[in-house]
Amino acid sequence: AQSVTQLDSQVPVFEEAPVELRCNYSSSVSVYLFWYVQYPNQGLQLLLKYLSGSTLVKGINGFEAEFNKSQTSFHLRKPSVHISDTAEYFCAVRVYSGGGADGLTFGKGTHLIIQP
Amino acid sequence: DAMVIQNPRYQVTQFGKPVTLSCSQTLNHNVMYWYQQKSSQAPKLLFHYYDKDFNNEADTPDNFQSRRPNTSFCFLDIRSPGLGDAAMYLCATRGRAGGNTEAFFGQGTRLTVV
Repeated sequence: AQSVTQLDSQVPVFEEAPVELRCNYSSSVSVYLFWYVQYPNQGLQLLLKYLSGSTLVKGINGFEAEFNKSQTSFHLRKPSVHISDTAEYFCAVRVYSGGGADGLTFGKGTHLIIQP
Repeated sequence: DAMVIQNPRYQVTQFGKPVTLSCSQTLNHNVMYWYQQKSSQAPKLLFHYYDKDFNNEADTPDNFQSRRPNTSFCFLDIRSPGLGDAAMYLCATRGRAGGNTEAFFGQGTRLTVV
């Protein structure tokens, strides 16, 4: 079975400062990797995904993430945050499953708090 | 433009009174999922459909059932809600099984049990 660890439950950052949200995963098979954002009382919105190819992936709202296979990490970064980035961020994995329809396994989430 | 639509957004039900949450999609996706997200926790997969094939997660309580009458609609039935079932319920779809496709989520239904 796979698992996802988000080391920080809460990250406070000043506006316009850079931020990194950490994500590590564990899986005995290859996985696809995702970052989702959730605003209060809303569903999940995909920020970015790693499927294959270049290990640096760019997403919406200026976010990017880098897949590091040797460290089994997929950390999310943004060079300059905005107040509107305040939200809950979830890292998730899905295993390669051939013809299966496996769901996502999520980390516990990181609450990003942007301070003015 | 909403692609995965959940109704209602907020649902209050009485302890032990059956309740149904609904999800519809305009994406014509094969796969539909139901997740439960309790306060300050990660979403947890309850079950999914691949077309009409139903797949239950091993630890999903029997109190939770699902129906998918057609491609567009999927329902979550909670037969006898307990206080511990209060949560946000998220529906998601995916274009096809396997492959490198992403899941699209609805806005969720927040269930309160009184």
